[in-house]
Amino acid sequence: DGGITQSPKYLFRKEGQNVTLSCEQNLNHDAMYWYRQDPGQGLRLIYYSQIVNDFQKGDIAEGYSVSREKKESFPLTVTSAQKNPTAFYLCASSTYSGGNQPQHFGDGTRLSIL
Amino acid sequence: ILNVEQSPQSLHVQEGDSTNFTCSFPSSNFYALHWYRWETAKSPEALFVMTLNGDEKKKGRISATLNTKEGYSYLYIKGSQPEDSATYLCAFNSGGYQKVTFGIGTKLQVIP
Repeated sequence: DGGITQSPKYLFRKEGQNVTLSCEQNLNHDAMYWYRQDPGQGLRLIYYSQIVNDFQKGDIAEGYSVSREKKESFPLTVTSAQKNPTAFYLCASSTYSGGNQPQHFGDGTRLSIL
Repeated sequence: ILNVEQSPQSLHVQEGDSTNFTCSFPSSNFYALHWYRWETAKSPEALFVMTLNGDEKKKGRISATLNTKEGYSYLYIKGSQPEDSATYLCAFNSGGYQKVTFGIGTKLQVIP
């Protein structure tokens, strides 16, 4: 079945460590996104990519990095510069045809600090 | 950052009751308004994408209306069932490209 796969489901990070969250889609979608959810807040956009080898910062990009080397994959690295990384992270994708296409989401990764 | 507000933040209804909640967004530079349903332990699922003022969309017992001039959308659930229990998110797009701004969501619990 087509969909978005995020891994791992739970991730623990030590202080000063970089960690990478995986996001893979087999929907043949051009656009992919990373969101962060904190208690009492809406989903906030970290980075998005409209096409392979291109990505843009979202509203809260500081302390994060991404790559888009393949259409199917959009990994997110949480660097040691992100001082408050504990959160729930969601990856999404959509066809690239303007803002009127729904986004399809993965099941999320919950990141915690040891 | 655009301001998208949803109200109420949570509500409880009895099975069989109908209910509705609101999404407010900037009335200028409107392009699209999305509604998603997010059940616990699952991923958010798209319900509707609305683009025209006065639009009304329906999916089973769930429907939505859109007023772009005054900047709000209503989501209605007729005859709520326990399986409707979820958080309902709205998301506003102003640019025509794919970046959307999400509201905090309305958490609905339907009591059997």
